[in-house]
Amino acid sequence: ILNVEQSPQSLHVQEGDSTNFTCSFPSSNFYALHWYRWETAKSPEALFVMTLNGDEKKKGRISATLNTKEGYSYLYIKGSQPEDSATYLCAFIGNTGFQKLVFGTGTRLLVSP
Amino acid sequence: NAGVTQTPKFRVLKTGQSMTLLCAQDMNHEYMYWYRQDPGMGLRLIHYSVGEGTTAKGEVPDGYNVSRLKKQNFLLGLESAAPSQTSVYFCASSVPGQAYEQYFGPGTRLTVT
Repeated sequence: ILNVEQSPQSLHVQEGDSTNFTCSFPSSNFYALHWYRWETAKSPEALFVMTLNGDEKKKGRISATLNTKEGYSYLYIKGSQPEDSATYLCAFIGNTGFQKLVFGTGTRLLVSP
Repeated sequence: NAGVTQTPKFRVLKTGQSMTLLCAQDMNHEYMYWYRQDPGMGLRLIHYSVGEGTTAKGEVPDGYNVSRLKKQNFLLGLESAAPSQTSVYFCASSVPGQAYEQYFGPGTRLTVT
């Protein structure tokens, strides 16, 4: 069974703080790593889809990096805003057989004004 | 485009009752998935389909059946509901060309008493 771990489980920051989360995944048989943003009472939405070692993606104040050789990805949020409050999920896809996603349990971020 | 829709949004069942959850997508996606989301467990794959007429088991398939008679629809059935199946169910669809980026439906909250 593949293990995808996210840390921390939860985070409470003040508006304007910058923060980062970690996703750890198997370093072998890598195909892709996804990051999703999941707001309360909504469904997850994709932030980034990363497929190459060394990938860096950016969307506004949110960015992500990928290290497939050591099996981790970081998600950064610069200058957190209350609307960034959500659960951030990562999902690993291996290249053996059908590309099923294995999700981590998420990092819950709360940004206070 | 409606994207991915799920019917119903909420349902309460008594133990032993049966029901079918419907997922529909209008994006012409080949792959469709059913997940369940439980506190502290993240999203877990129940069943998936790689095309019309095909289905396969995911991580937690017991107690569920699925059918994909039409490309745009993916049905999840509970033959004899149990309290352990109380959960939020998400349907998703994807295409290989986007590294299987998941497009999620709004979710169905099911309670089994």
